Amino acid sequence: GAGVSQSPSNKVTEKGKDVELRCDPISGHTALYWYRQSLGQGLEFLIYFQGNSAPDKSGLPSDRFSAERTGGSVSTLTIQRTQQEDSAVYLCASSTDTGELFFGEGSRLTVL
Amino acid sequence: AQSVTQPDIHITVSEGASLELRCNYSYGATPYLFWYVQSPGQGLQLLLKYFSGDTLVQGIKGFEAEFKRSQSSFNLRKPSVHWSDAAEYFCAVGNTGGFKTIFGAGTRLFVKA
Repeated sequence: GAGVSQSPSNKVTEKGKDVELRCDPISGHTALYWYRQSLGQGLEFLIYFQGNSAPDKSGLPSDRFSAERTGGSVSTLTIQRTQQEDSAVYLCASSTDTGELFFGEGSRLTVL
Repeated sequence: AQSVTQPDIHITVSEGASLELRCNYSYGATPYLFWYVQSPGQGLQLLLKYFSGDTLVQGIKGFEAEFKRSQSSFNLRKPSVHWSDAAEYFCAVGNTGGFKTIFGAGTRLFVKA
C-alpha cells in the first residue's frame, strides 16, 4: 500500500519476554520516527532516523529499548524484558523534506 | 530545550460555537509547526502546517491557525464546531534535516449538543 504499515497491530506478551515491532515507511521517505502513546497520554518521542545520519535516540526510556533501520527503509523497534509499564500503542511515522509526518495505525502492546 | 505546551488538557464547546486551542513552543531552530487530529480509534491526520510566509494558515475541515513569533504560539481555531470535531488535537513542532518533530500532550475536545 501507499501508507505507513506497522505490524503486528496487536501484541500481547508476558512480562519479561522480548518483542519486536515492525514499521514499513512510505517509499522514498528519508525520515522515520517511533513514538509511544500511553492511554490518555500524548505522543512520547522515542527515536528518529534521518537518512544515513546517526539516529537520535534521546527519547528511548531505557536500555531495554532499541531500534534499527535497515537499508534506509524498514525499521524494527525491539523491547527486551518487557515490563507492564511498556504497555502502550507504538506509532511509527515517516516523512520527506517537508517535515509532515505520515503515521501508521500503530502497534498496541499489552504486557501481562 | 525543545518543548511544546498545550495548556488545556480538555475543552468542551457547544456545537456551532467557536473554538480556539492553544499551543506554545520552544525550539532551537526555525520551526515548522503542525496541528494533527486523532479521532477515536483512528490514526493521526494532519490538519494544517506552517513553514513560512503568511502567518495565518488554512487547513482541512474548516480549521485555521495563526503563527505568532513574538508569542511563540500557534493556536488552532475554528469558527463553528461540528459534533464530528470531537477528537484529540496535537500541536507539533519540527523541521527537516536532522531536527526531530516533537508533540504536545494534546487537547481533547468534547462537543455538546
